[in-house]
Amino acid sequence: AQSVTQLGSHVSVSEGALVLLRCNYSSSVPPYLFWYVQYPNQGLQLLLKYTSAATLVKGINGFEAEFKKSETSFHLTKPSAHMSDAAEYFCAVRVYNFNKFYFGSGTKLNVKP
Amino acid sequence: DVKVTQSSRYLVKRTGEKVFLECVQDMDHENMFWYRQDPGLGLRLIYFSYDVKMKEKGDIPEGYSVSREKKERFSLILESASTNQTSMYLCASSLDSYSPLHFGNGTRLTVT
Repeated sequence: AQSVTQLGSHVSVSEGALVLLRCNYSSSVPPYLFWYVQYPNQGLQLLLKYTSAATLVKGINGFEAEFKKSETSFHLTKPSAHMSDAAEYFCAVRVYNFNKFYFGSGTKLNVKP
Repeated sequence: DVKVTQSSRYLVKRTGEKVFLECVQDMDHENMFWYRQDPGLGLRLIYFSYDVKMKEKGDIPEGYSVSREKKERFSLILESASTNQTSMYLCASSLDSYSPLHFGNGTRLTVT
């Protein structure tokens, strides 16, 4: 069975500080992995995706994530937080050739001035 | 750019009403999905469709049905709305099994 765990339902950082949002997955076959961002009262927007090419994936708005198979992790990072990064972030896994995505429960990022 | 449009942003319905949530995508995607989103529970899959007139149950299909008569349109139907169906409903589409989901802006449904 596939599952996604996001550690920390709320993360707070200061503006300019490193952002680290954690995601661990379980999958019996090589997965496709995604990070999405959701601003209030909006749908989810794709930040980045891992599809078995480079293990370090760069996304929009300066975010990146590294796929570590040995740790079954796909943590999201950004070197310097901006106020506009305040949102909820979701990690998701999709198993190849299956039409199901498994989402983590989300992490709300708060950015303090 | 892919556009997924949900017909209503906010909807208020009474218990027992039949409710239709509509979703249209403009990129000829094969797959379409309906999720509901609740605080602390993340996104839960209700139904998905991988072709016209084809559908599969997701994790929480009880109390819901779907219709896909045309490739671009995927409707979620609440046969008899109940208060525990008050939620944010998100429609999404994807090109194929390799591709990410593209989401609409959601419909916030309140059942009173």
